[in-house]
Amino acid sequence: AQRVTQPEKLLSVFKGAPVELKCNYSYSGSPELFWYVQYSRQRLQLLLRHISRESIKGFTADLNKGETSFHLKKPFAQEEDSAMYYCALNNNNDMRFGAGTRLTVKP
Amino acid sequence: DAGVTQSPTHLIKTRGQHVTLRCSPISGHKSVSWYQQVLGQGPQFIFQYYEKEERGRGNFPDRFSARQFPNYSSELNVNALLLGDSALYLCASNLGQQQYFGPGTRLTVT
Repeated sequence: AQRVTQPEKLLSVFKGAPVELKCNYSYSGSPELFWYVQYSRQRLQLLLRHISRESIKGFTADLNKGETSFHLKKPFAQEEDSAMYYCALNNNNDMRFGAGTRLTVKP
Repeated sequence: DAGVTQSPTHLIKTRGQHVTLRCSPISGHKSVSWYQQVLGQGPQFIFQYYEKEERGRGNFPDRFSARQFPNYSSELNVNALLLGDSALYLCASNLGQQQYFGPGTRLTVT
């Protein structure tokens, strides 16, 4: 069954520290993976997708098919990065979301 | 820029009642998706519609139904409400693989 797992519900780092939000998936085909972010009092929005291989707001995510992971990384966290982050997998128009990780960046 | 709109913002219903939630996608987008988000969990996929046709369905009972109109707006209907249906219902306007989410409708079933 297709599944997305985010093992950390909460993650707290200090400003300027590196941050990594973990995402593991199970999927039998070639996955389409995404990271979504929800800032306080804002809508859920797309942060990045693996197919674009882009860096958004300093965040990157690399698809590791061997480890079935799509971890989100940023070398130097900023306070404005504090938000809820969701990893998602697209399975033929059925988008599966993980439970989310709440990132807090402390000053 | 008019983003995705959903109505109502909040509503309270009693067990056994029926509810209709509405969504208007971004102008030019022909596809919408519906999600249920229970507190503490990620969104769970309910339906996707494209050009008025159902393109995907999640693992929800038949009490949940939806439709899309010629203007691409959409309704989500839930019959015989249960306490467990209390959640935030999100609508997304789709363009390719890009999804733009609305603010959601908070449904409370008492």
